[in-house]
Amino acid sequence: KAGVTQTPRYLIKTRGQQVTLSCSPISGHRSVSWYQQTPGQGLQFLFEYFSETQRNKGNFPGRFSGRQFSNSRSEMNVSTLELGDSALYLCASSRSTGAYTEAFFGQGTRLTVV
Amino acid sequence: DAKTTQPNSMESNEEEPVHLPCNHSTISGTDYIHWYRQLPSQGPEYVIHGLTSNVNNRMASLAIAEDRKSSTLILHRATLRDAAVYYCILRDRPSGGGADGLTFGKGTHLIIQP
Repeated sequence: KAGVTQTPRYLIKTRGQQVTLSCSPISGHRSVSWYQQTPGQGLQFLFEYFSETQRNKGNFPGRFSGRQFSNSRSEMNVSTLELGDSALYLCASSRSTGAYTEAFFGQGTRLTVV
Repeated sequence: DAKTTQPNSMESNEEEPVHLPCNHSTISGTDYIHWYRQLPSQGPEYVIHGLTSNVNNRMASLAIAEDRKSSTLILHRATLRDAAVYYCILRDRPSGGGADGLTFGKGTHLIIQP
């Protein structure tokens, strides 16, 4: 069974630009969550989508947004990029959304803002 | 989510058992205890989770204290591949349904000596 696929793996953008990251969950998984990992802040939850609806959101500014499509694939968008947005962005998929559910992570997209 | 406390680092020898402790004294009755690990340059990987009873799977065992205020992840026979950062996470179901994102702390950096 294929794992969680994130594209692209690496990205370099200029301050002020916007970026879209993509995540394809494991087949049959309907929940997709996004996380940001930086050396200073560690792994932080961005948001979770289930059945095309955002169910929960972390403490990030409105420049960070996402969506989920009917096939459960998800995209994350960051507008007006700042240098501090340089990070590893991780996507995780789960079969459902319960607190008992395990999450399966992709390899991440490494975003560098210059 | 309630907080967890883990040692910053631990060291063990290859082929020996490893006991990774986690304290969660403010755990609520509905918090699930999850363990994830992150190998270098990879996304986090689910290890195990439990609610009240001890749990075993092919990767590890989870021993939960009777009062649930602490738990221990047990790797029965450590290999070099087990060198990673191990995260103990409590996960509850918010009132709106779904699940809060995983709240990763700093975790325990496990070093395996050959």
